[in-house]
Amino acid sequence: QVQLVQSGSELKKPGASVKVSCKASGYTFTSYAMNWVRQAPGQGLEWMGWINTNTGNPTYAQGFTGRFVFSLDTSVSTAYLQISSLKAEDTAVYYCALIAAAGTHFDYWGQGTLVTVSS
Amino acid sequence: QSALTQPASVSGSPGQSITISCTGTSSDVGGYNYVSWYQQHPGKAPKLMIYEVSNRPSGVSNRFSGSKSGNTASLTISGLQAEDEADYYCSSYTSSRVFGGGTKLTVL
Repeated sequence: QVQLVQSGSELKKPGASVKVSCKASGYTFTSYAMNWVRQAPGQGLEWMGWINTNTGNPTYAQGFTGRFVFSLDTSVSTAYLQISSLKAEDTAVYYCALIAAAGTHFDYWGQGTLVTVSS
Repeated sequence: QSALTQPASVSGSPGQSITISCTGTSSDVGGYNYVSWYQQHPGKAPKLMIYEVSNRPSGVSNRFSGSKSGNTASLTISGLQAEDEADYYCSSYTSSRVFGGGTKLTVL
């Protein structure tokens, strides 16, 4: 069965960087697109963008350019989200989410990674 | 692409039916049959409940159904149960992906 397992919670200071991982299993990693979704405390879901797991080409949604980087290590079926120059407003739960064959919806979700930015 | 519009909250008693609306534009909800719905319990990841307006993934109860009219999609939950209490989000796919603001369902 498809599983997306994310790395654990992170506590970072403003200005630092963080790298969140999402390890996939149960399917061929390069077959489907991997997306990232942010959820700030008490807020809704916000699509950050996606990465083509076949080519490694990332696409960033508006508001997620510059400090946000999507990457892959296909040898270990893992996607990464790196955020640099962290700000307090980056505090959120970050989810990886898989879009499978149909391409129209998020079929599977990771359990989420809480990133807290505080001095 | 602006967020889709959902009511902040809805409520219903056990056994009743409720409907959650999701309003977009002719460029997203109205233009394509690519609306999906997600259920999120507190502290948990979202779960796909409906895709492509009205299709249920395997394992999702048939008490959940979806529909669309014009620029508004709807999620209906019939025979409300306590376990249905959660946040619900709609999403649309066009050239980009967008979520609604979410609706908190309270089972009275």
